[in-house]
Amino acid sequence: AQTVTQSQPEMSVQEAETVTLSCTYDTSESNYYLFWYKQPPSRQMILVIRQEAYKQQNATENRFSVNFQKAAKSFSLKISDSQLGDTAMYFCAFRPTSGAGSYQLTFGKGTKLSVIP
Amino acid sequence: GAGVSQTPSNKVTEKGKYVELRCDPISGHTALYWYRQSLGQGPEFLIYFQGTGAADDSGLPNDRFFAVRPEGSVSTLKIQRTERGDSAVYLCASSLTRDRDSYTFGSGTRLTVV
Repeated sequence: AQTVTQSQPEMSVQEAETVTLSCTYDTSESNYYLFWYKQPPSRQMILVIRQEAYKQQNATENRFSVNFQKAAKSFSLKISDSQLGDTAMYFCAFRPTSGAGSYQLTFGKGTKLSVIP
Repeated sequence: GAGVSQTPSNKVTEKGKYVELRCDPISGHTALYWYRQSLGQGPEFLIYFQGTGAADDSGLPNDRFFAVRPEGSVSTLKIQRTERGDSAVYLCASSLTRDRDSYTFGSGTRLTVV
């Protein structure tokens, strides 16, 4: 079984500044995906960024980037040039690439991010 | 449809009543998933459908919960004898079987049991 831990229940950042959200996970799987999802008040889970565990290069999507440390089982999200629209809950999630659980996402408890004007 | 549609958006019911929550997945998506998100928690897996059949229902908490997908498209999550602890947001997602990258969530149904 996998576990995902987000140790920061709430964070805030000034508009245009940079913020980093932390995530650690535990698994015995060798191949897996890691994700960051954003959940605004509309409740829909929106994929922000995805990292494949076999890739050493950190994923980047515009203002969003990750710091993936496989040995440490750490997967942090950095948001640069924070915008008011980034205010939301952010969830870290894990999914194996193959096997019986490859369709199932395991989520952390989330971090509530507030961007302050 | 263009996205995953869930109805109703909000549902308030009395303890002991029966409720049905509906999910209309993206057209052509053969895989469908239900998750439950309790207050202050991340979503937790309930059940996975591949086509019409439930491929994995190991996340259903007890036998009061049941889900169907009779024609391989729309799915209904059914909860009997609701309890206050069932209050949560119920999220549905769908994907192409061979393309998990297409995993798309709906906006959920917020169920409140009073």
